[in-house]
Amino acid sequence: AQSVSQHNHHVILSEAASLELGCNYSYGGTVNLFWYVQYPGQHLQLLLKYFSGDPLVKGIKGFEAEFIKSKFSFNLRKPSVQWSDTAEYFCAVKGTGANNLFFGTGTRLTVIP
Amino acid sequence: AAGVIQSPRHLIKEKRETATLKCYPIPRHDTVYWYQQGPGQDPQFLISFYEKMQSDKGSIPDRFSAQQFSDYHSELNMSSLELGDSALYFCASSSDRNIQYFGAGTRLSVL
Repeated sequence: AQSVSQHNHHVILSEAASLELGCNYSYGGTVNLFWYVQYPGQHLQLLLKYFSGDPLVKGIKGFEAEFIKSKFSFNLRKPSVQWSDTAEYFCAVKGTGANNLFFGTGTRLTVIP
Repeated sequence: AAGVIQSPRHLIKEKRETATLKCYPIPRHDTVYWYQQGPGQDPQFLISFYEKMQSDKGSIPDRFSAQQFSDYHSELNMSSLELGDSALYFCASSSDRNIQYFGAGTRLSVL
């Protein structure tokens, strides 16, 4: 069965701290991987995606993620967070032949100024 | 750039009433997805349409139905509403069925 696990439910960081949010998935087949961000009261916005090729992908706002196939992981990183990064972050996976996204339970990031 | 438009943004209904949510995809996007996000929950896939035909079905209750029209907009019809249907309903659209772009959502409150 498909599943996405985000182990950190709530992360609190001070500005300029480094961020790493974990994401592990279970899926029988080739996958596309995504990170979405949801700012308070707003819709889901695509941060970055991995389809194939270089396993280190860079997204918007200084975020990057690394796909490690052997670990079924797609962790999100940012070297120095800002207060404006306060949001909920969702990891999602989609089979390459499938239509829908499977989301993790999300990680709430709070950045303290 | 045009985004996915959802209407209404907020909807308040009573139990056993019906509701219709609308979604207008990004122009030239042929695929529409519906997701339900309960309070503090992750979005759960309900149903999707490609070229006006249902393409995939997730955890959509039998009380709900949806369709995609000739202009590619989609409507989610919800009947016999229950308290547990209170949630944020997102629509997403795609042109390649790989990247989904989400609308702002419709927040449904069932009293």
